[in-house]
Amino acid sequence: QVQLVQSGAEVKKPGASVKVSCKASGYTFTSYDINWVRQATGQGLEWMGWMNPNSGNTGYAQKFQGRVTMTRNTSISTAYMELSSLRSEDTAVYYCARQNYYDSSGYSALLDYWGQGTLVTVSS
Amino acid sequence: DIQMTQSPSSLSASVGDRVTITCRASQSISSYLNWYQQKPGKAPKLLIYAASSLQSGVPSRFSGSGSGTDFTLTISSLQPEDFATYYCQQSYSTPVFTFGPGTKVDIK
Repeated sequence: QVQLVQSGAEVKKPGASVKVSCKASGYTFTSYDINWVRQATGQGLEWMGWMNPNSGNTGYAQKFQGRVTMTRNTSISTAYMELSSLRSEDTAVYYCARQNYYDSSGYSALLDYWGQGTLVTVSS
Repeated sequence: DIQMTQSPSSLSASVGDRVTITCRASQSISSYLNWYQQKPGKAPKLLIYAASSLQSGVPSRFSGSGSGTDFTLTISSLQPEDFATYYCQQSYSTPVFTFGPGTKVDIK
C-alpha cells in the first residue's frame, strides 16, 4: 500500500534552517510528483511547492521563493523540504503529498496520499 | 493567481442534517476542483475530484457539483464521523495549487 512517512518533530531557533524528509513506499517513487503543504495551528492549508522525483525539477509558491528547497534521493525513495531563515510565523505542521492525475489533460492533478505531518516549531 | 473562497467558514449541524458548503474561484477553473476532509491532528483526505467524482472508498452521502467558478460539496445525511474541516483546491493552474480557507463542520 502507498505510504508517505515523514521525519519527526523539530524545534528550531529563528534564523535557522529545517529539513523535513518524506519516505515513499508502495509505489514507484520517480513516477509521481511530491508536493509540500503546510498548516499553522488553527489555520488552513498552504501550498508550498512541488518536485518531480525523476528529473529533480521543482516549482515553488512565490511566498517561499528563495527560502525553500525541495530535493530527493531516489536510491532511498525519499523527498526532502528544506526551509531556511526560519521565523516564528513558520511554526506549522508540514505535509508531503503525492500528486496524481485523473486524466491526461494536465490540469487534473490531485493529492491522493499524504504523509502524517511534521511539526516544526520556531522559537527562541 | 487564482484565489479560492469558501462559505460558510464554519457551521453547526446535527447528525442526519443535509449540509452544503460552497467554494468559489476568482476565475473560471472548468471542473478542476477537488475537495478534502481533514480531522483534527490528521492529514487531509481526498474526498472528491473533478468537482463531482467520488474518490474510491468515500461514502456516497458525499457529493460535489459545479463548474466554472462556483462549486458545492453536499453531505446528504451528516454522520458523526463527518465532523471535520473541508477544503476545496483548484488544479486548473497546475503545477501551482490553491486551497480554499476551509469550512469547519461541528456538532450543534
